[in-house]
Amino acid sequence: LAKTTQPISMDSYEGQEVNITCSHNNIATNDYITWYQQFPSQGPRFIIQGYKTKVTNEVASLFIPADRKSSTLSLPRVSLSDTAVYYCLVGDGGYSTLTFGKGTMLLVSP
Amino acid sequence: NAGVTQTPKFRVLKTGQSMTLLCAQDMNHEYMYWYRQDPGMGLRLIHYSVGEGTTAKGEVPDGYNVSRLKKQNFLLGLESAAPSQTSVYFCASSLLAGNYNEQFFGPGTRLTVL
Repeated sequence: LAKTTQPISMDSYEGQEVNITCSHNNIATNDYITWYQQFPSQGPRFIIQGYKTKVTNEVASLFIPADRKSSTLSLPRVSLSDTAVYYCLVGDGGYSTLTFGKGTMLLVSP
Repeated sequence: NAGVTQTPKFRVLKTGQSMTLLCAQDMNHEYMYWYRQDPGMGLRLIHYSVGEGTTAKGEVPDGYNVSRLKKQNFLLGLESAAPSQTSVYFCASSLLAGNYNEQFFGPGTRLTVL
């Protein structure tokens, strides 16, 4: 199981770009990096996933350096509605390894 | 297409009572999961199922039982509820196995055990 470390909380203002970094020093060759978002009183939802380099979708970008020991979730021009907890997951599945951890609480202020 | 639904949304139990939480998905997913979420603890996997008629233990299975009699349903049972089981319970499903397969989550069940 590749353990992940991410900041407990981050603060930002509307319109700013937010970068949340996740460390996973013992990531395995077959592991993917996945980010989920959870709003209060809701279940988590999938945001983005990648294996290496950069992945971009309509919601976010994911930057993964060549050594894959960390990854950065980038949220462009955040709004108040981006206030949520963001989880970084690393693994290839083996169900006992699907650990969400404590995530990063992002608070976006006006 | 309702996705993943959970019943009930809220429940209060007394210590020692039993109950069953129902999870249903209409996406024809093979894999289903039960998590619990406690303040400051993230989500922890309780039990999971890789297909109809199969179940397996996750990270925190003690005090819970599960059944997957139909592909679309995954039941979580508490035979004798304890205050330590006060939590928010989330069900999820995925088409295939592995971290690289998106898990779809239900809205959660908030359970309080007095």
